[in-house]
Amino acid sequence: GQQVMQIPQYQHVQEGEDFTTYCNSSTTLSNIQWYKQRPGGHPVFLIQLVKSGEVKKQKRLTFQFGEAKKNSSLHITATQTTDVGTYFCAAGGTSYGKLTFGQGTILTVHP
Amino acid sequence: DTGVSQNPRHKITKRGQNVTFRCDPISEHNRLYWYRQTLGQGPEFLTYFQNEAQLEKSRLLSDRFSAERPKGSFSTLEIQRTEQGDSAMYLCASSIHPPGLPGEQYFGPGTRLTVT
Repeated sequence: GQQVMQIPQYQHVQEGEDFTTYCNSSTTLSNIQWYKQRPGGHPVFLIQLVKSGEVKKQKRLTFQFGEAKKNSSLHITATQTTDVGTYFCAAGGTSYGKLTFGQGTILTVHP
Repeated sequence: DTGVSQNPRHKITKRGQNVTFRCDPISEHNRLYWYRQTLGQGPEFLTYFQNEAQLEKSRLLSDRFSAERPKGSFSTLEIQRTEQGDSAMYLCASSIHPPGLPGEQYFGPGTRLTVT
């Protein structure tokens, strides 16, 4: 079945430093979604990427979808303590059915 | 609150007992999903419904697990003869299909199951 690998598993940064997490698949993805899960919380949708080479920005967050639609990344500029949590990529099916989640990257931000 | 709700929030049960969880999706959402999440892992797909129809079920799901959505609104997930390996957070999500972009899923707070 479809699998997505996400790295790194953990990232510790000082407040103000940048952060990037990467998501890779061996197969071409129809779309990819990114979710954030705060400690003790549930996944919350951040964004969806559909087009090859797509780049989307949300304030300090930049999301990219690879040209081959096999990889994606999330970059946070100048992290803040409110960015703490686990960031998941999730591969969506062609009919927007199930999501296949990566293992997640746990971000810790030290003030 | 018009978000996805799940009950109970916590369930402790003894091995071998049956448990049932309930999920109430956002009212206008026709799709409902069940996922399972263990510590340090991403949510793992279990099954999903469109209205009353169960459209897909994970091959990882043993026959001890069954889910229903009888009237296309709320859903129940039952686990029979629970095992310690069933201990996890059970997450429910809902969405609209076909979606306008994006096709996001809205997650509930989850039911944490502990099997002793």
